[in-house]
This record gives sequence, C-alpha cells and structure tokens, in this order.
Amino acid sequence: QQPVQSPQAVILREGEDAVINCSSSKALYSVHWYRQKHGEAPVFLMILLKGGEQKGHDKISASFNEKKQQSSLYLTASQLSYSGTYFCGTELASNTGKLIFGQGTTLQVKP
Amino acid sequence: EPEVTQTPSHQVTQMGQEVILRCVPISNHLYFYWYRQILGQKVEFLVSFYNNEISEKSEIFDDQFSVERPDGSNFTLKIRSTKLEDSAMYFCASRQILNTGELFFGEGSRLTVL
Repeated sequence: QQPVQSPQAVILREGEDAVINCSSSKALYSVHWYRQKHGEAPVFLMILLKGGEQKGHDKISASFNEKKQQSSLYLTASQLSYSGTYFCGTELASNTGKLIFGQGTTLQVKP
Repeated sequence: EPEVTQTPSHQVTQMGQEVILRCVPISNHLYFYWYRQILGQKVEFLVSFYNNEISEKSEIFDDQFSVERPDGSNFTLKIRSTKLEDSAMYFCASRQILNTGELFFGEGSRLTVL
C-alpha cells in the first residue's frame, strides 16, 4: 500500500533541475507533496487530484498520471533552500482522509 | 496563519511509563490524525479521528495507544506503557475537508524512551 518514491537521493548544483517520482499500486484519489527539513515538520507543497491535473508553485510543479497511478514532482532551477527530504502522500477514496507516505527522497542542493 | 500546536516539544521517559502527547488542531478542522516518524525514516500513519471517534487505525496503533478529544479543542495521544521502540517524533495533523483539503502538520513532539 505504501507508495514507492524514486530516486532515494539526489545531489544537485544550484540551478539544476530534478524530478522525483511517486508510484502506487492502488487507485488514488489524490497525491500530496511535502518537503521536510531536518528536525522540522513536513511542509505542504501541493495537492494533485485525480484527473491528470498539473500544478505549479514558483519553480516547483507536479503532475499526476491517473492511468499509471504515478505522480512526479519537478524542481527547476534549484535553489539551496530546496534541500530537504521530499515525501509524497497518497490518498485513496475513503472517508478517513489518511495519507500514506512514501519513504522519501533526499535532495541536496550544493552551491 | 492558523496552525496546529503540539506539546511537549520533547519528552524523555523511562520504559514502562505512561506518556500523553497533546495537540490543538486548527479550530475549524474536523479530521484529526497522529503520525509518527522514527529518526531518518518515513512518516507513518497511526490513527485518524472524526466526530469523536477513531475512524481508522494502523497496525502500529495497538492496545498501548489511545486517543481522545476531551474538551473539544485538545486532541491527545496516550501511550500506556512505553517501549524503547516508541522513541520517535510524533506529529499531530488536522484537515478541514477530505480529498481536496491540505493536511496541516504540527511541529511534532519528540519522544525519547530510555
């Protein structure tokens, strides 16, 4: 039931791009993306609803392929502040609203 | 901006002791959750709570765990007899609506069991 994220870790130089993928074996209602810095709470980035929607926020965008039950997070022209661990949280159609999180992708942006 | 608040930020306890972690969800939210994160690992679902009862719980949430909303604002997680493996960061989260609504996390309570 846990979504699978890839890659597990990415090291970038400032200004480079990265893609983080999240795959589920279950039919999803939505996918949520969070970033967590060491010792802090996860911070919400965006939510993708079923329907193949693509969203963006600054230089971070995401897509959701409903047929493949896959979401991708795109980080363009990365900044040092993008460093952290990225988690996707998947939600099935249910009446509890729980999210199941992937194992995380650690992103390190170097100057 | 409204936020989820958690206390204490850090608690150290002896194995076998009872621990209560407290949370104040965002006031107009209806759905409440506890998650835990063992150091360096993923965020794991423990329990969801709606309309004053548990709506779903994971296999981690065994008889040693309980939740309640005693006064309409606080949302507590109790661990009756702590074990070493309960050492983790515990996050409370709340949500206003399902499916399209964002899940707001508190800053977490770090529990260390000695």
